[in-house]
Amino acid sequence: EAGVTQSPTHLIKTRGQQATLRCSPISGHTSVYWYQQALGLGLQFLLWYDEGEERNRGNFPPRFSGRQFPNYSSELNVNALELEDSALYLCASSLSGNYGYTFGSGTRLTVV
Amino acid sequence: GENVEQHPSTLSVQEGDSAVIKCTYSDSASNYFPWYKQELGKGPQLIIDIRSNVGEKKDQRIAVTLNKTAKHFSLHITETQPEDSAVYFCAATFGGYSTLTFGKGTMLLVSP
Repeated sequence: EAGVTQSPTHLIKTRGQQATLRCSPISGHTSVYWYQQALGLGLQFLLWYDEGEERNRGNFPPRFSGRQFPNYSSELNVNALELEDSALYLCASSLSGNYGYTFGSGTRLTVV
Repeated sequence: GENVEQHPSTLSVQEGDSAVIKCTYSDSASNYFPWYKQELGKGPQLIIDIRSNVGEKKDQRIAVTLNKTAKHFSLHITETQPEDSAVYFCAATFGGYSTLTFGKGTMLLVSP
Protein backbone atom coordinates (compact mmCIF):
# COMPACT_ATOMS: atom_id res chain seq x y z
CA GLU A 1 0.00 0.00 0.00
CA ALA A 2 1.42 3.37 -1.01
CA GLY A 3 1.86 5.81 1.86
CA VAL A 4 1.22 9.54 1.94
CA THR A 5 3.20 11.17 -0.84
CA GLN A 6 4.25 14.81 -0.91
CA SER A 7 5.78 16.87 -3.67
CA PRO A 8 8.11 18.49 -4.21
CA THR A 9 10.64 17.20 -1.70
CA HIS A 10 12.45 20.51 -1.63
CA LEU A 11 11.35 23.97 -2.73
CA ILE A 12 13.32 27.20 -2.77
CA LYS A 13 11.44 30.46 -3.18
CA THR A 14 12.18 34.14 -2.94
CA ARG A 15 10.52 36.33 -0.32
CA GLY A 16 7.20 37.63 -1.64
CA GLN A 17 6.63 34.75 -4.03
CA GLN A 18 3.97 32.05 -3.76
CA ALA A 19 4.56 28.37 -2.98
CA THR A 20 2.33 25.42 -3.79
CA LEU A 21 2.82 22.12 -2.00
CA ARG A 22 0.98 18.93 -2.90
CA CYS A 23 -0.15 15.86 -0.98
CA SER A 24 -1.67 12.53 -2.01
CA PRO A 25 -3.30 10.63 0.87
CA ILE A 26 -3.39 6.91 1.42
CA SER A 27 -6.03 5.28 -0.75
CA GLY A 28 -9.35 5.33 1.10
CA HIS A 29 -8.38 8.16 3.45
CA THR A 30 -10.62 11.20 3.11
CA SER A 31 -9.07 13.48 5.73
CA VAL A 32 -5.90 15.45 5.04
CA TYR A 33 -4.02 17.51 7.61
CA TRP A 34 -1.22 20.03 7.07
CA TYR A 35 1.40 20.84 9.70
CA GLN A 36 4.37 23.20 9.76
CA GLN A 37 7.53 21.96 11.46
CA ALA A 38 9.91 24.84 12.00
CA LEU A 39 13.19 24.31 13.81
CA GLY A 40 12.67 24.06 17.55
CA LEU A 41 8.92 24.63 17.39
CA GLY A 42 7.54 21.13 16.99
CA LEU A 43 4.58 20.51 14.73
CA GLN A 44 2.13 23.39 14.36
CA PHE A 45 -1.34 22.59 12.97
CA LEU A 46 -2.23 24.48 9.79
CA LEU A 47 -5.32 23.04 8.11
CA TRP A 48 -7.65 20.05 8.11
CA TYR A 49 -9.66 19.01 5.04
CA ASP A 50 -12.27 16.28 4.95
CA GLU A 51 -14.55 15.33 2.07
CA GLY A 52 -13.46 18.41 0.15
CA GLU A 53 -14.26 20.89 2.92
CA GLU A 54 -12.03 22.85 5.28
CA ARG A 55 -12.95 21.56 8.75
CA ASN A 56 -10.51 23.34 11.02
CA ARG A 57 -7.75 25.90 10.79
CA GLY A 58 -4.78 26.60 13.02
CA ASN A 59 -3.47 29.95 14.17
CA PHE A 60 -1.87 31.01 10.87
CA PRO A 61 -2.49 34.10 8.72
CA PRO A 62 -4.86 33.93 5.72
CA ARG A 63 -1.96 33.81 3.27
CA PHE A 64 -1.78 30.13 4.22
CA SER A 65 -4.59 28.45 2.34
CA GLY A 66 -5.35 25.22 0.59
CA ARG A 67 -7.93 22.97 -0.91
CA GLN A 68 -8.87 19.34 -1.27
CA PHE A 69 -9.73 17.84 -4.62
CA PRO A 70 -12.46 15.26 -5.44
CA ASN A 71 -9.83 12.49 -5.36
CA TYR A 72 -8.95 13.65 -1.79
CA SER A 73 -5.51 14.92 -2.73
CA SER A 74 -4.71 18.34 -1.38
CA GLU A 75 -2.54 21.34 -1.97
CA LEU A 76 -1.25 23.97 0.39
CA ASN A 77 -0.64 27.46 -0.92
CA VAL A 78 1.49 30.03 0.84
CA ASN A 79 1.28 33.54 -0.56
CA ALA A 80 3.57 36.51 0.00
CA LEU A 81 6.32 34.28 1.38
CA GLU A 82 8.29 35.50 4.37
CA LEU A 83 11.68 34.28 5.57
CA GLU A 84 10.07 32.75 8.68
CA ASP A 85 7.93 30.51 6.47
CA SER A 86 11.02 28.38 5.92
CA ALA A 87 10.16 25.02 7.45
CA LEU A 88 9.28 21.40 6.78
CA TYR A 89 5.63 21.13 5.75
CA LEU A 90 4.08 17.80 6.64
CA CYS A 91 0.90 16.32 5.29
CA ALA A 92 -0.96 13.52 7.04
CA SER A 93 -4.05 11.54 6.12
CA SER A 94 -6.61 9.46 7.99
CA LEU A 95 -10.00 7.89 7.59
CA SER A 96 -12.77 10.42 8.17
CA GLY A 97 -13.29 10.99 11.88
CA ASN A 98 -10.46 8.63 12.77
CA TYR A 99 -7.53 9.88 14.78
CA GLY A 100 -4.89 7.62 13.30
CA TYR A 101 -2.71 9.95 11.22
CA THR A 102 -0.16 8.70 8.70
CA PHE A 103 2.40 11.33 7.77
CA GLY A 104 4.28 11.87 4.55
CA SER A 105 7.98 12.72 4.50
CA GLY A 106 7.31 16.41 4.01
CA THR A 107 8.29 19.27 1.73
CA ARG A 108 11.26 21.35 2.84
CA LEU A 109 10.44 24.98 1.93
CA THR A 110 13.29 27.47 2.01
CA VAL A 111 12.55 31.17 1.55
CA VAL A 112 15.53 33.33 0.61
CA GLY B 1 -5.76 27.54 24.98
CA GLU B 2 -4.69 24.22 23.54
CA ASN B 3 -1.36 23.20 24.98
CA VAL B 4 0.78 20.09 25.32
CA GLU B 5 3.94 20.31 27.40
CA GLN B 6 6.63 17.66 26.83
CA HIS B 7 9.69 16.87 28.96
CA PRO B 8 12.59 16.40 28.74
CA SER B 9 13.68 18.07 25.51
CA THR B 10 16.70 15.75 25.28
CA LEU B 11 17.35 12.39 26.90
CA SER B 12 20.55 10.38 26.74
CA VAL B 13 20.62 6.76 27.92
CA GLN B 14 22.88 3.75 27.63
CA GLU B 15 21.79 0.80 25.52
CA GLY B 16 19.63 -1.50 27.62
CA ASP B 17 18.43 1.22 29.97
CA SER B 18 14.82 2.44 30.15
CA ALA B 19 13.65 5.82 28.88
CA VAL B 20 10.62 7.79 30.05
CA ILE B 21 9.12 10.84 28.34
CA LYS B 22 6.31 12.79 29.97
CA CYS B 23 3.57 15.05 28.63
CA THR B 24 0.84 17.15 30.16
CA TYR B 25 -2.22 18.55 28.41
CA SER B 26 -4.60 21.38 29.18
CA ASP B 27 -7.99 20.29 27.79
CA SER B 28 -9.91 17.93 30.08
CA ALA B 29 -12.03 16.91 27.07
CA SER B 30 -9.01 15.45 25.23
CA ASN B 31 -9.67 11.79 24.48
CA TYR B 32 -6.87 10.52 22.26
CA PHE B 33 -3.12 10.55 22.97
CA PRO B 34 -0.70 9.22 20.34
CA TRP B 35 3.09 9.08 20.35
CA TYR B 36 5.14 9.57 17.19
CA LYS B 37 8.77 8.77 16.36
CA GLN B 38 10.56 10.93 13.82
CA GLU B 39 13.86 9.84 12.34
CA LEU B 40 16.12 12.19 10.43
CA GLY B 41 14.72 13.13 7.04
CA LYS B 42 11.44 11.30 7.59
CA GLY B 43 7.93 12.18 8.63
CA PRO B 44 6.65 11.25 12.11
CA GLN B 45 5.56 7.63 12.50
CA LEU B 46 2.86 6.53 14.94
CA ILE B 47 4.35 4.08 17.45
CA ILE B 48 1.62 3.74 20.08
CA ASP B 49 -1.56 5.48 21.15
CA ILE B 50 -4.04 5.43 24.00
CA ARG B 51 -7.62 6.57 24.42
CA SER B 52 -9.08 8.25 27.46
CA ASN B 53 -10.97 5.17 28.64
CA VAL B 54 -7.73 3.19 29.06
CA GLY B 55 -5.05 3.71 31.70
CA GLU B 56 -2.18 1.79 30.15
CA LYS B 57 -1.24 0.16 26.87
CA LYS B 58 1.79 -1.90 26.00
CA ASP B 59 3.37 -3.05 22.74
CA GLN B 60 6.54 -5.09 23.15
CA ARG B 61 9.20 -2.71 24.52
CA ILE B 62 7.05 0.40 24.54
CA ALA B 63 4.19 1.35 26.82
CA VAL B 64 2.05 4.41 27.43
CA THR B 65 0.30 5.36 30.67
CA LEU B 66 -2.47 7.94 31.08
CA ASN B 67 -3.56 9.77 34.22
CA LYS B 68 -6.72 11.67 33.30
CA THR B 69 -7.10 13.28 36.71
CA ALA B 70 -3.65 14.81 36.55
CA LYS B 71 -3.90 15.35 32.76
CA HIS B 72 -0.60 13.73 31.97
CA PHE B 73 0.60 10.76 29.96
CA SER B 74 3.97 9.09 29.57
CA LEU B 75 5.92 6.97 27.10
CA HIS B 76 8.09 4.19 28.50
CA ILE B 77 10.72 2.43 26.40
CA THR B 78 12.47 -0.55 27.99
CA GLU B 79 15.69 -2.26 26.90
CA THR B 80 16.60 0.67 24.65
CA GLN B 81 18.57 0.04 21.47
CA PRO B 82 20.63 2.44 19.31
CA GLU B 83 17.88 2.30 16.65
CA ASP B 84 15.50 3.87 19.19
CA SER B 85 17.48 7.10 18.78
CA ALA B 86 15.09 9.65 17.24
CA VAL B 87 12.83 12.55 18.15
CA TYR B 88 9.64 11.51 19.94
CA PHE B 89 6.47 13.62 19.95
CA CYS B 90 3.42 13.30 22.13
CA ALA B 91 0.08 14.71 20.98
CA ALA B 92 -3.50 15.15 22.13
CA THR B 93 -6.84 15.98 20.56
CA PHE B 94 -8.59 19.19 21.50
CA GLY B 95 -12.03 20.72 21.29
CA GLY B 96 -13.76 17.64 19.97
CA TYR B 97 -11.89 17.80 16.66
CA SER B 98 -9.69 15.06 15.29
CA THR B 99 -6.85 17.52 14.85
CA LEU B 100 -3.84 16.86 17.06
CA THR B 101 -1.80 19.33 19.09
CA PHE B 102 1.80 18.18 19.48
CA GLY B 103 4.40 18.64 22.16
CA LYS B 104 7.73 20.16 21.16
CA GLY B 105 9.48 16.82 21.03
CA THR B 106 12.17 14.86 22.89
CA MET B 107 15.43 13.93 21.25
CA LEU B 108 16.36 10.47 22.54
CA LEU B 109 19.97 9.37 22.15
CA VAL B 110 20.81 5.74 22.93
CA SER B 111 24.53 5.08 23.21
CA PRO B 112 25.92 1.58 22.51
